[in-house]
Amino acid sequence: GAVVSQHPSRVICKSGTSVKIECRSLDFQATTMFWYRQFPKQSLMLMATSNEGSKATYEQGVEKDKFLINHASLTLSTLTVTSAHPEDSSFYICSALQAGGLGSPLHFGNGTRLTVT
Amino acid sequence: EDQVTQSPEALRLQEGESSSLNCSYTVSGLRGLFWYRQDPGKGPEFLFTLYSAGEEKEKERLKATLTKKESFLHITAPKPEDSATYLCAVRGALESSGGGADGLTFGKGTHLIIQP
Repeated sequence: GAVVSQHPSRVICKSGTSVKIECRSLDFQATTMFWYRQFPKQSLMLMATSNEGSKATYEQGVEKDKFLINHASLTLSTLTVTSAHPEDSSFYICSALQAGGLGSPLHFGNGTRLTVT
Repeated sequence: EDQVTQSPEALRLQEGESSSLNCSYTVSGLRGLFWYRQDPGKGPEFLFTLYSAGEEKEKERLKATLTKKESFLHITAPKPEDSATYLCAVRGALESSGGGADGLTFGKGTHLIIQP
């Protein structure tokens, strides 16, 4: 159980275009989803917290107009990288919080490797 | 703000050679310490949650322990398939967490290589 599906796994786009990444919880409802970013040999850095039916909460330094997050249902959150530039190239990973109390672990998708040329 | 430091950054062992990975943390009001395994190009895979000092969890060749300042991931008689990056993360009190209300603050991980 607790499977999180992330799509696409890999995307290459040209500078200035927008890219949408989907994150789905397949066998549980996730009121809260999280979007992380990971650079090579670096820690996962939280970008934003996505709550179903409300606006996302962004971490300091993350541009909310550049990284649009929508959490329209209890099983789906999307991250759209708008007007992507080469410096946005990274590994983006979503995670979902399974209901069960404050100590519940996060379950992660398999990530999306974004390359902006 | 919650902080997590993992050591060593990288560890190379022979198959069958047991060792331990360290995770030191600073958190106000620990609401869980988590261990994950991450394979190249994949998302982290959940291993263990520890909540209080003295607690231990085991799964196959892995055993996680927790004190008030650090956690250890002991690996006994490892096999090549145990090669991966092992990540430690904490969830602190709502007021101090830099990782979102229920999000996690991660360390940089330990890259473990088990040679046959």
